[in-house]
Amino acid sequence: DIQMTQSPSTLSASVGDRVTITCRASQSISSWLAWYQQKPGKAPKLLIYKASTLETGVPSRFSGSGSGTEFTLTINSLQPADIATYYCQHYNNFPYSFGQGTKLEIK
Amino acid sequence: EVQLVESGGGLVQPGGSLRLSCVASGFTLNNYAVSWVRQAPGKGLEWISALSASGFTTYYADSVKGRFTISRDTSKNTLYLQMDSLRVEDTGFYYCVKDRRDWGQGTLVTVS
Repeated sequence: DIQMTQSPSTLSASVGDRVTITCRASQSISSWLAWYQQKPGKAPKLLIYKASTLETGVPSRFSGSGSGTEFTLTINSLQPADIATYYCQHYNNFPYSFGQGTKLEIK
Repeated sequence: EVQLVESGGGLVQPGGSLRLSCVASGFTLNNYAVSWVRQAPGKGLEWISALSASGFTTYYADSVKGRFTISRDTSKNTLYLQMDSLRVEDTGFYYCVKDRRDWGQGTLVTVS
């Protein structure tokens, strides 16, 4: 089974900052990676799929990159609405595991 | 518009059973693979099961294999998760998911 490791677990940043979250796969998953945003009490929301494709309606300050085993989610110019927990998930083959999450806080 | 509505959660004793339902609208289950994802209180997301679009192939996480069964009723456009031999660690919100982009609101299962 493929293990997904996210870092950092928590991240504190200021409004306007550029923020980067990393996700590593234990073996190559090509570009079969999704990023989600989850706010308290809500279901996760898809932000990015196939490592770098922005889901319709997601602000362009979000971007994804990477392939193989190393991936990043970048938020340019952090906004208060971006406070949430972010998860990566591979879908290369079953089981489709998630990273442990990155909780993003405002400084 | 795609909608997924879960139900069937509740309080159950360890060793007990529950069947979760997910009523789908705006698309046909025949044409899509769908998954169940759960989240323990205050914890991260865990993918637990999927059913292929054909309905013939099932997939399970090791944590639920042999205890949970995924199935569907195409006449009702409804996905199910039969959960047997429940454990305290199965407690959490259970979501059905289509295509990674469409999630239900979740149903809470408490094993205590």
